[in-house]
Amino acid sequence: NAGVTQTPKFQVLKTGQSMTLQCAQDMNHEYMSWYRQDPGMGLRLIHYSVGAGITDQGEVPNGYNVSRSTTEDFPLRLLSAAPSQTSVYFCASSYRGGSERAKNIQYFGAGTRLSVL
Amino acid sequence: KNQVEQSPQSLIILEGKNCTLQCNYTVSPFSNLRWYKQDTGRGPVSLTIMTFSENTKSNGRYTATLDADTKQSSLHITASQLSDSASYICVVSARAQTGANNLFFGTGTRLTVIP
Repeated sequence: NAGVTQTPKFQVLKTGQSMTLQCAQDMNHEYMSWYRQDPGMGLRLIHYSVGAGITDQGEVPNGYNVSRSTTEDFPLRLLSAAPSQTSVYFCASSYRGGSERAKNIQYFGAGTRLSVL
Repeated sequence: KNQVEQSPQSLIILEGKNCTLQCNYTVSPFSNLRWYKQDTGRGPVSLTIMTFSENTKSNGRYTATLDADTKQSSLHITASQLSDSASYICVVSARAQTGANNLFFGTGTRLTVIP
């Protein structure tokens, strides 16, 4: 049981490049989400998914795309990287909101540190 | 506006001492409150989670309290150890009908335990 696995751990991009941050979980969680963490700010929700085939925007979705073709995987795509997207990105998963199972405890990946030059 | 505020921003204590971290929130409708520990370079890890009816929850040397009337929570760390050095994040969940977890994150308290 690996939990939530994020790859890569580090990435440097040039402005305008595109890339995909990978996230996979093996706990059969319905809910998956992507956050970014910037200095002096709380984690901010980018996109989330309540199940395979269902995604929705969070607080800061601009410049990012997601898809959820399987329960296990939830990749985050940067379409055209900008310096403002320099951040640490965390993927998290949990049972779906409203479920009593595990009280919706979120499990976080180790993060991806992204620098956009 | 739904907000979570934590204090202090940072704290330095001697190994073996106790400390208390504070969290005030204005999230509504309230569902539960969580405390996470985030080691440097790692993702947050859940310490405790409390619903409206729970006013205290312990996890080893960590004890969280919740006062839902005043919308305040605290995290008390007893007999601190060097490994307690981390950021502690207060997260408040709002009830949602859509199935989404509406989570509001504090900016964290950076705790440093020195020998």
